[in-house]
Amino acid sequence: GAVVSQHPSRVICKSGTSVKIECRSLDFQATTMFWYRQFPKQSLMLMATSNEGSKATYEQGVEKDKFLINHASLTLSTLTVTSAHPEDSSFYICSARGTNIQYFGAGTRLSVL
Amino acid sequence: AQTVTQSQPEMSVQEAETVTLSCTYDTSENNYYLFWYKQPPSRQMILVIRQEAYKQQNATENRFSVNFQKAAKSFSLKISDSQLGDTAMYFCAFMKSNTGNQFYFGTGTSLTVIP
Repeated sequence: GAVVSQHPSRVICKSGTSVKIECRSLDFQATTMFWYRQFPKQSLMLMATSNEGSKATYEQGVEKDKFLINHASLTLSTLTVTSAHPEDSSFYICSARGTNIQYFGAGTRLSVL
Repeated sequence: AQTVTQSQPEMSVQEAETVTLSCTYDTSENNYYLFWYKQPPSRQMILVIRQEAYKQQNATENRFSVNFQKAAKSFSLKISDSQLGDTAMYFCAFMKSNTGNQFYFGTGTSLTVIP
């Protein structure tokens, strides 16, 4: 299947700083990417849908000013957690849309101290 | 709205035995896709199997097979000859056709294969 690279795999930051997570489709062009958040032993929660060249669509309850998404090219979407706080600590997963399927990145574990 | 229900939070199976994970869903759509994803401790989401709703034949991938009952809106996963590497969280997912490929995930089933 197609490969989606997510970087970094783990990040630890101080409260108040911003963190950027990258999601790249390595061998195909992805006009649409998705960002999920996953708490321990829970399912994936869709945060937003990222469309190349346009604004992301955020799910209800997700702060668009807190979680900035940029999908500037057909192979790269970024999620920036701005002014991170301990409650933002979580596992973040991206995926890229294929033909009637999604290909997932390996996830990023964010720990905010 | 689409909902996906996995009623078994945790399951265990002896190595080499067979186990079935349940999934039901609710939709008014006629064309859609169903998936089972595996999430091992590494937390990488791995596609196990995919079923297209318009196909009556149940999908099979080696030791993994599904029992797709469209009228009952049921999509169970059977794992045969369970192996230790099958230990993982398993998520059932629903996707409408031609609508941007948004997934609706179930709450997951934690499967442990016992040696």
